[in-house]
Amino acid sequence: AQKVTQAQTEISVVEKEDVTLDCVYETRDTTYYLFWYKQPPSGELVFLIRRNSFDEQNEISGRYSWNFQKSTSSFNFTITASQVVDSAVYFCALSELVGYQKVTFGTGTKLQVIP
Amino acid sequence: KAGVTQTPRYLIKTRGQQVTLSCSPISGHRSVSWYQQTPGQGLQFLFEYFSETQRNKGNFPGRFSGRQFSNSRSEMNVSTLELGDSALYLCASSLRPDSNQPQHFGDGTRLSIL
Repeated sequence: AQKVTQAQTEISVVEKEDVTLDCVYETRDTTYYLFWYKQPPSGELVFLIRRNSFDEQNEISGRYSWNFQKSTSSFNFTITASQVVDSAVYFCALSELVGYQKVTFGTGTKLQVIP
Repeated sequence: KAGVTQTPRYLIKTRGQQVTLSCSPISGHRSVSWYQQTPGQGLQFLFEYFSETQRNKGNFPGRFSGRQFSNSRSEMNVSTLELGDSALYLCASSLRPDSNQPQHFGDGTRLSIL
């Protein structure tokens, strides 16, 4: 069975601080996808990144960066110089590589950025 | 390009009733998935459809069902509603089930059971 753990339930930071959201996963599959989604207060889920298990290269996209470490089964997400608009619930998720729509989500981390 | 459209946005039902939710995927997307989001259980996968066939199903009772039409639009139905079915139901679409394109989510239907 697949499992995604986001141990941080809520995080508050002051604007412009850096913040890292942790994600640890469990799977018996040797190949899989990992995702991060953002859910702002309006409710819609916004896709941020997908990473397949073959590719452990870290990725940076603007203020966002992701650190994938297969050895520790972690896929952490860092926001640099946080902004108020970053306030949202962030979900880490895992899926099979084939038929990847069957996604297992973590419980989410609520990030509040204080101006 | 229009996004994923879910209707209705809000719905109030009573226990024992049934409900049908609709999802229109992004044009050209043929894979549709449904998720339930509740404060207690978080986000859970319900089922996935492609080419009018259910490909995957999550761990939900038979009261939860769905279907997909030839134009890729999908509906999900919940019969004999229970209080615990109160949730945000999200629909997501993608080009194909195994495509390299990400899922795009709709705004959801918020279902409240009285």
